[in-house]
Amino acid sequence: GAGVSQSPSNKVTEKGKDVELRCDPISGHTALYWYRQRLGQGLEFLIYFQGNSAPDKSGLPSDRFSAERTGESVSTLTIQRTQQEDSAVYLCASSLSGGGADTQYFGPGTRLTVL
Amino acid sequence: GQQVMQIPQYQHVQEGEDFTTYCNSSTTLSNIQWYKQRPGGHPVFLIQLVKSGEVKKQKRLTFQFGEAKKNSSLHITATQTTDVGTYFCGTDSWGKLQFGAGTQVVVTP
Repeated sequence: GAGVSQSPSNKVTEKGKDVELRCDPISGHTALYWYRQRLGQGLEFLIYFQGNSAPDKSGLPSDRFSAERTGESVSTLTIQRTQQEDSAVYLCASSLSGGGADTQYFGPGTRLTVL
Repeated sequence: GQQVMQIPQYQHVQEGEDFTTYCNSSTTLSNIQWYKQRPGGHPVFLIQLVKSGEVKKQKRLTFQFGEAKKNSSLHITATQTTDVGTYFCGTDSWGKLQFGAGTQVVVTP
């Protein structure tokens, strides 16, 4: 079956521009996560959506970062006024019901390069 | 919330050798998940452990949850070049999965 998809796969932008990254989770998965992974580093949690609950935004590094999710489907991560330190791979993951004991299925990521 | 420390951060292994990587916590964990991320790829789920002392095997990979549920190990026997990648452990932390920093494994032919 279809896995988690992300678009674009690569994004090059200029410093100061806004970018939108998209994630399509596995159909039926109620939980959706965004992570940031800098080169050679671990998974930095950004935000977590679980059903209709208020999202857990505790990992967002600044107010330039925001994310939305439409129901239990597509999510968009927006980075405003991009900075060079925003360059990283942005990974999205979904899980069936959320929670820390649920398996996460990751998308291929979006590689963001800020010039 | 729960936090896990992974050691070592880097592991250089000769092909054919065995090695073990660890995931440790100062508090009792409800569960441990292990993921593998190949270079240039995304993390892929390997296994979940929930019971004290639990041992699970996947071919050359052996996963163990400590008796006190404060640590977990991943042991790989007869390492192959296909084992290259970063291995992450994660645990339930306030209702979401909290990942460790990972162990990056490099295999020398």
